[in-house]
Amino acid sequence: DVQLLESGGGLVQPGGSLRLSCAASGFTFSNYAMSWVRQAPGKGLEWVSTISGSGGSTYYADSVKGRFTISGDSSKNTLYLQMNSLRVEDTAVYYCAKSEGRAARWGIDYWGQGTLVTVAS
Amino acid sequence: QLVLTQSPSASASLGASVKLTCTLTSGHSYYAIAWHQQQPEKGPRLLMKFNSDGSHYKGDGIPDRFSASSSGAERYLTISSLQSEDEADYYCQTWGTGIQVFGGGTKLTVL
Repeated sequence: DVQLLESGGGLVQPGGSLRLSCAASGFTFSNYAMSWVRQAPGKGLEWVSTISGSGGSTYYADSVKGRFTISGDSSKNTLYLQMNSLRVEDTAVYYCAKSEGRAARWGIDYWGQGTLVTVAS
Repeated sequence: QLVLTQSPSASASLGASVKLTCTLTSGHSYYAIAWHQQQPEKGPRLLMKFNSDGSHYKGDGIPDRFSASSSGAERYLTISSLQSEDEADYYCQTWGTGIQVFGGGTKLTVL
């Protein structure tokens, strides 16, 4: 069974940094693109970033470009999101999500349970 | 620009059927979409993927009460024999190279 387990969330001050991790199991990690999707309190889903299965292509929403970095380690079956220069508006539950294919042009077929990031002073 | 539009809310009675709508922006009517369900205090899960040719597949363990259809730029999710656990937020989603797009979500209330 596919399982995605996020960790690393917490409380951070504006301007601070945080690294999220997503431990994946039940599939060959390098064969699938992976994404981060966030959900601010009481709001809908917002795509954050996607990385191709090879790791060679990365994509970002304009709202996080230049501040967030997505990466993956296929030896550890783990997806990461390095978040720098955090803003209050980055406060959200961050979900790890698996895509249907290796390239970053497929939909999402599995989700993690999410990890909460709170940016506040 | 690729945008998905959903009604913010819908309601239907226990045991009845409800049809949720997701509208693609003009010029994108051939895009495939997926429907995701998010029950209260839970992460989303894939209900089904629906292609423009009408082919589709369901996520793990999704019952036959859930079905999808389309007409032009509109994509529909029909839930029949509504149960209390169907009360949830429903999001449509589509994608392009390097981008995932979500509709604003429809909050379904089961009366």
